[in-house]
Amino acid sequence: QLVLTQSPSASASLGASVKLTCILNSGHSSYAIAWHQQQPEKGPRYLMKLDSDGSHRKGDGIPDRFSGSSSGAERYLTISSLQSEDEADYYCQTWGTDTVVFGGGTKLTVL
Amino acid sequence: QVQLVQSGAEVKKPGASVKVSCKASAYTFTGYYLHWVRQAPGQGLEWMGWINPNSGGTNYAQKFQGRVTMTRDTSISTAYMELSRLRSDDTAVYYCARVRGYSGYGDFDYWGQGALVTVSS
Repeated sequence: QLVLTQSPSASASLGASVKLTCILNSGHSSYAIAWHQQQPEKGPRYLMKLDSDGSHRKGDGIPDRFSGSSSGAERYLTISSLQSEDEADYYCQTWGTDTVVFGGGTKLTVL
Repeated sequence: QVQLVQSGAEVKKPGASVKVSCKASAYTFTGYYLHWVRQAPGQGLEWMGWINPNSGGTNYAQKFQGRVTMTRDTSISTAYMELSRLRSDDTAVYYCARVRGYSGYGDFDYWGQGALVTVSS
């Protein structure tokens, strides 16, 4: 069974950087994921696809401040030069041969 | 630019059905699978299934099999998700999302704005 685990919350200061983590469960460490941002009262927005080797492809209009990286079963989203509008929920998504799975989401607070 | 525009909010009674639409524009509708995802109030994202707009083929998450039907009308580039036998815990925002690439599964690169469905007696 495919499972993604995210920390429920994270916080960082305005102008700083933050690294969010999404962990694939055992047996699925080679899977690609996608990162999505959901600002308050809005629908999700695609940020990027992130492969197991750390290569990533960003969606249209996503700033360079957003980047992805990987290590083993962990997938990371790094946001640099944090802005107030980055305060949002961040979800990772992956997929298998017959299913799509989301992590529980991380609520990012910009202090 | 690619857009997925969904129908408006609905209020339904328990036991009724709801049909949500998702109109695609600025890309070849039949070239990309569309998925449906829902989000209950204050909760995370839950995958419901997909439709292949080209063939009309579908695949539903086990949880929704028997209650969900996904269809499309290629003449107006619109996909539909109908959920029947509604319960109060079906209250959620329902999203359509496009898979990037030409296979059934992958990253969702565009999302609709969501349609709130409220189930209440």
